[in-house]
Amino acid sequence: NAGVTQTPKFQVLKTGQSMTLQCAQDMNHNSMYWYRQDPGMGLRLIYYSASEGTTDKGEVPNGYNVSRLNKREFSLRLESAAPSQTSVYFCASSLMTGYFNYGYTFGSGTRLTVV
Amino acid sequence: DAKTTQPTSMDCAEGRAANLPCNHSTISGNEYVYWYRQIHSQGPQYIIHGLKNNETNEMASLIITEDRKSSTLILPHATLRDTAVYYCIGAYSGGGADGLTFGKGTHLIIQP
Repeated sequence: NAGVTQTPKFQVLKTGQSMTLQCAQDMNHNSMYWYRQDPGMGLRLIYYSASEGTTDKGEVPNGYNVSRLNKREFSLRLESAAPSQTSVYFCASSLMTGYFNYGYTFGSGTRLTVV
Repeated sequence: DAKTTQPTSMDCAEGRAANLPCNHSTISGNEYVYWYRQIHSQGPQYIIHGLKNNETNEMASLIITEDRKSSTLILPHATLRDTAVYYCIGAYSGGGADGLTFGKGTHLIIQP
């Protein structure tokens, strides 16, 4: 099925380790986003890419880097994981035409635990 | 983006219409109202959005007051699978090209 695919689905890291969360969409969407969700809280935007070749910081970018590899793929990297980064990470994509957004499509999430 | 206010939780009987309110008194004239929902442990799912007129799709109806200060999402015949957190978001039509802001939403519980 068409959609947003995130890998891995689960990951346990030790403090200080690095890892990259992968996200790919096959809907020809031009905008992509990374969110994190902590227990009992709403989603918070980490980084976004409005179009291929551009990335911008969201609400909580510290400790993360991103790469918009091509139109389909948008990765999130933790260079030195900390326990405070234990969270569920969601990737999303959306179609922007002109100045209109047709709504986000989210992936199923990556559940990351840093010990 | 406009600040929105939603009840923390609501109950609804299965088979009944679920009416979820949202206040967005500071919404500007060209901001849309978007609704998403998140079923436990899954990624949020887009439901519907509107600007001024009422909207309907296969999932729900959106009723926006004439002054646009509030809206109601209606699930016409709620099922147990509609139990989820529902988010009401105000955003410009480009919106969010720079990311939507999700609050804590309304936890809707459908009772059998």
